[in-house]
Amino acid sequence: KNQVEQSPQSLIILEGKNCTLQCNYTVSPFSNLRWYKQDTGRGPVSLTIMTFSENTKSNGRYTATLDADTKQSSLHITASQLSDSASYICVVSAVGTGFQKLVFGTGTRLLVSP
Amino acid sequence: EPEVTQTPSHQVTQMGQEVILRCVPISNHLYFYWYRQILGQKVEFLVSFYNNEISEKSEIFDDQFSVERPDGSNFTLKIRSTKLEDSAMYFCASSVQGGRTEAFFGQGTRLTVV
Repeated sequence: KNQVEQSPQSLIILEGKNCTLQCNYTVSPFSNLRWYKQDTGRGPVSLTIMTFSENTKSNGRYTATLDADTKQSSLHITASQLSDSASYICVVSAVGTGFQKLVFGTGTRLLVSP
Repeated sequence: EPEVTQTPSHQVTQMGQEVILRCVPISNHLYFYWYRQILGQKVEFLVSFYNNEISEKSEIFDDQFSVERPDGSNFTLKIRSTKLEDSAMYFCASSVQGGRTEAFFGQGTRLTVV
């Protein structure tokens, strides 16, 4: 069964500190992996998309890594800001009839405190 | 910046009633999706839609659900006879292409069935 697992479930860090969120997946056949940021009560917003051949991708203070062999990904946030407080969701796209079928993780709830 | 818009933002309905959730995807996008998120749970794929037909659907998307693109701009999700367990946040998304392209999500419609 296609699954995406994330850790930790929740995390509290001080403003300005770095953090790394983890994602493991068992989605097959794999198409791509995305990290989304979701503020409470809002829709997910894409941060990065990585295909099988990409090991790392950055978007400002966000850097995602992908190890397709071990089926693991991480999202590193540098110099955290209060506005980074949100849920971060790892999403893996499974190839299905050529269309997107996104499998969502349960998310890591990040709280950046002053 | 173009965005996916959803209406209403919140809908309360009585059990057994029909509801229609509306979405206006980004204008040049060709692929459309509905997802739902039960409170406190992960986002789940419902259905993808392309070229005026369903391309893929999940086991959640049973005969009570239907989708339609009635006029070339709106994309609707209909639930024929709502159940209490249909209470969730429903997200519409669209993408230029399928596969590896980014999916843009709307802000969601919170459906409450009483």
